[in-house]
Amino acid sequence: DAGVIQSPRHEVTEMGQEVTLRCKPISGHNSLFWYRQTMMRGLELLIYFNNNVPIDDSGMPEDRFSAKMPNASFSTLKIQPSEPRDSAVYFCASGWGLPGDEQFFGPGTRLTVL
Amino acid sequence: LAKTTQPISMDSYEGQEVNITCSHNNIATNDYITWYQQFPSQGPRFIIQGYKTKVTNEVASLFIPADRKSSTLSLPRVSLSDTAVYYCLGMDSNYQLIWGAGTKLIIKP
Repeated sequence: DAGVIQSPRHEVTEMGQEVTLRCKPISGHNSLFWYRQTMMRGLELLIYFNNNVPIDDSGMPEDRFSAKMPNASFSTLKIQPSEPRDSAVYFCASGWGLPGDEQFFGPGTRLTVL
Repeated sequence: LAKTTQPISMDSYEGQEVNITCSHNNIATNDYITWYQQFPSQGPRFIIQGYKTKVTNEVASLFIPADRKSSTLSLPRVSLSDTAVYYCLGMDSNYQLIWGAGTKLIIKP
């Protein structure tokens, strides 16, 4: 297996633009997590899906952020409109079960909003 | 409010044993405590997890006292390649993930 795949790896956009980040989890995993990492705030869990259903989205910062998981092999995180403070590395992770079980992280998407 | 606290940074030398301790306040009594390792420009990678007492695998040991208010990650005979950031992770009583802020470990020759 190729592991968790994220695209794009780097994204530079201007304030106000829509940004869509993509994730393909490891085949057979039923949990998917989106994280944001910054120097100031560290690693933050944004949302957690189990069997394609959002279970906990309490970490989503505001209405500008939305996440979907239309099937077991694909998820998106959308920011609309983007702001400079959204600049961060966004990680997707997948796993077999509960959030406390082992998570397999993707390489991340480095987002820069100018 | 559940919280995990760990040292911001640590230094050590090749061949030494390194112990990193994380304090967990009000974490769930019935879930794992997990440690991850992160290298620059990569996502975190699972190292070890345990529920109580001691767990050992091929890369590390994890010590968790009976009260589960802390855990200690032990890396035996570290090398330069162990330079990374190490995170502890627990869950609170509402099953929310509680990540530590990370310990930056620097191994010197």
